[in-house]
Amino acid sequence: DAGVIQSPRHEVTEMGQEVTLRCKPISGHDYLFWYRQTMMRGLELLIYFNNNVPIDDSGMPEDRFSAKMPNASFSTLKIQPSEPRDSAVYFCASSPGVGGQPQHFGDGTRLSIL
Amino acid sequence: QKEVEQNSGPLSVPEGAIASLNCTYSDRGSQSFFWYRQYSGKSPELIMFIYSNGDKEDGRFTAQLNKASQYVSLLIRDSQPSDSATYLCAVNNDMRFGAGTRLTVKP
Repeated sequence: DAGVIQSPRHEVTEMGQEVTLRCKPISGHDYLFWYRQTMMRGLELLIYFNNNVPIDDSGMPEDRFSAKMPNASFSTLKIQPSEPRDSAVYFCASSPGVGGQPQHFGDGTRLSIL
Repeated sequence: QKEVEQNSGPLSVPEGAIASLNCTYSDRGSQSFFWYRQYSGKSPELIMFIYSNGDKEDGRFTAQLNKASQYVSLLIRDSQPSDSATYLCAVNNDMRFGAGTRLTVKP
């Protein structure tokens, strides 16, 4: 079991640039989650997918954020254009189910927008 | 908005003492509850889960659930400096986490 794999581990870019974060969930997990963590707001759920379909995107902060899951083994979170306030650690997690199944987290992407 | 509330701490206990971490939730229909530990600079990792009222023990850790009062707690017995971390409570019906409680165990 390779675990949830995220890339890149660190990203530093200038304001206004497009940022793409990537995630490979654990094979066989039907649910994929994107979280953002900051000191001020803690761990926030941005969006989650079930069988590649977005189920709840109410946590996506604004239209600059978008997420896709083209297949069961890959998801992206895109920010365009990026702003300094987007600086945070972004975690991807996967789970075999919800309402009773724990989530397995990737190592996160530390994003800094200058 | 369904809420998961935790005391952000920091909570400081001496080595060998019992650390008590608490979490309250707003959704009465919640069925599953999880405690994650997060070391600084690392990702959250699951340490305990509980579904039924009462206590669940796993080694030095005990999770306690009281659905009538809508709280779940985590007790860490014989606390060790290696337990120093942020502890996150999660209510899995809506996949949301509390803000976390930062625990420091002093040698």
